[in-house]
Amino acid sequence: EVQLVESGGGLVKPGGSLRLSCAASGFTFSSYSMNWVRQAPGKGLEWVSSISSSSSYIYYADSVKGRFTISRDNAKNSLYLQMNSLRAEDTAVYYCARANGGYTVGYFDYWGQGTLVTVSS
Amino acid sequence: EIVMTQSPATLSVSPGERATLSCRASQSVSSNLAWYQQKPGQAPRLLIYGASTRATGIPARFSGSGSGTEFTLTISSLQSEDFAVYYCQQYNNLYTFGQGTKLEIK
Repeated sequence: EVQLVESGGGLVKPGGSLRLSCAASGFTFSSYSMNWVRQAPGKGLEWVSSISSSSSYIYYADSVKGRFTISRDNAKNSLYLQMNSLRAEDTAVYYCARANGGYTVGYFDYWGQGTLVTVSS
Repeated sequence: EIVMTQSPATLSVSPGERATLSCRASQSVSSNLAWYQQKPGQAPRLLIYGASTRATGIPARFSGSGSGTEFTLTISSLQSEDFAVYYCQQYNNLYTFGQGTKLEIK
């Protein structure tokens, strides 16, 4: 059974940093591109970042470029999101999601349960 | 950036009736279009990919159509568990989600 479990969310002050993790199991993690998607309270879904299976291709939404860094450790079946210079508008539930159907992009066939990040003083 | 526009924002339909949700892309995304269902407090669930292919375990009452810039998700006979928010997503050029359509009970 495919499982994605996020962790690392919490309350952080504006300008602060946080590192999210996503532990994957039930599939060959090193064969799939992985993504972070966020959802602000009461709002829609926003794609944040994507990393290809071997980390060769990395992409970011303009809203987080230069502040967030996506990475993965295929030996540990884990995906990460380092978030720096956090702003109030980064407050959201952050989901990790597996991309299927292509090397760099694809549809998101599995999602984690999400971890809440709150940026507030 | 490709902009995805869903309509209507809210759709009120009675159980047993048909629901038709629309999604328009600002430029062609070919058939690289997915639909997701999200219920309160839950992660999104993949329903349709490739514009018209049902994901594993998705009931046949869900169907998708379209290509290029115009797409439709149809739920043929609404069940109580289908009332939720639905998002379209293009994955032709990175990723963009539509703003969502809330399907509510009439």
